[in-house]
Amino acid sequence: GAGVSQSPRYKVAKRGQDVALRCDPISGHVSLFWYQQALGQGPEFLTYFQNEAQLDKSGLPSDRFFAERPEGSVSTLKIQRTQQEDSAVYLCASSLGRKFFGPGTRLTVL
Amino acid sequence: RKEVEQDPGPFNVPEGATVAFNCTYSNSASQSFFWYRQDCRKEPKLLMSVYSSGNEDGRFTAQLNRASQYISLLIRDSKLSDSATYLCVVKEVWGSQGNLIFGKGTKLSVKP
Repeated sequence: GAGVSQSPRYKVAKRGQDVALRCDPISGHVSLFWYQQALGQGPEFLTYFQNEAQLDKSGLPSDRFFAERPEGSVSTLKIQRTQQEDSAVYLCASSLGRKFFGPGTRLTVL
Repeated sequence: RKEVEQDPGPFNVPEGATVAFNCTYSNSASQSFFWYRQDCRKEPKLLMSVYSSGNEDGRFTAQLNRASQYISLLIRDSKLSDSATYLCVVKEVWGSQGNLIFGKGTKLSVKP
C-alpha cells in the first residue's frame, strides 16, 4: 500500500511481558518518528530516526523502551517488562517533509 | 506548563453553526504551525497549515499571531462530518527535520 502501516493493530499484554511493535514507513521516506498517545491526550514524541540513525530518543519514557531501524526502512519499538501506564496508542509517522501517520498500535497492559 | 495548550471541549454545536478553536504555544522559537484532525480511533491527519497572513480552505480558516503565540481555527457552516478532535500542532526544527508538538485536542461534536 501507499501509506504507513503498523502491526499489530491491537495488542493485549500481561504486566511484565515484552512487546514489539512494527512500523512500515512509506517507501523512500528518510525520517521516521514514534509517538505515544494516551487516552484523552495528544500524541507525544518518543524517538526519531533519519535512515538507520536514531537521532533523538529523548522522549522515550524509560530504559524499558527501545527502538531500532537497522536497515533504514522498517522500525520496531520494543517495550520490555510492560507496565499498566504503558497502555496507549503507539503511532508511527514517516516523512520526506510532510509527516504521514500510520493507524497506530493500541497497546493494553493488564 | 504544557508547550501547546488548547481547550479540550467538547464543543457541541448544531449543523450550520460557526465554531472557533484557540490554541497557545509556549516556545517562541517554534517554526511551523498546523491543525490536525483526528477521528475516533484513527490516526491524526493534517487539516491545514497555519500562517501569519491567515489561510482559508473552503469552510476552514486558520490564523497565527506570533506576537501573542496564539493560533486559531474557524469552521463555518459546520457539517456532521466535521465531528472529530482537532489537534493544534507546532513544529520545532532541529537539523533537517522537525518534531511535532501536539496539544491535547479539542473535541467537536456537530449535531443535526
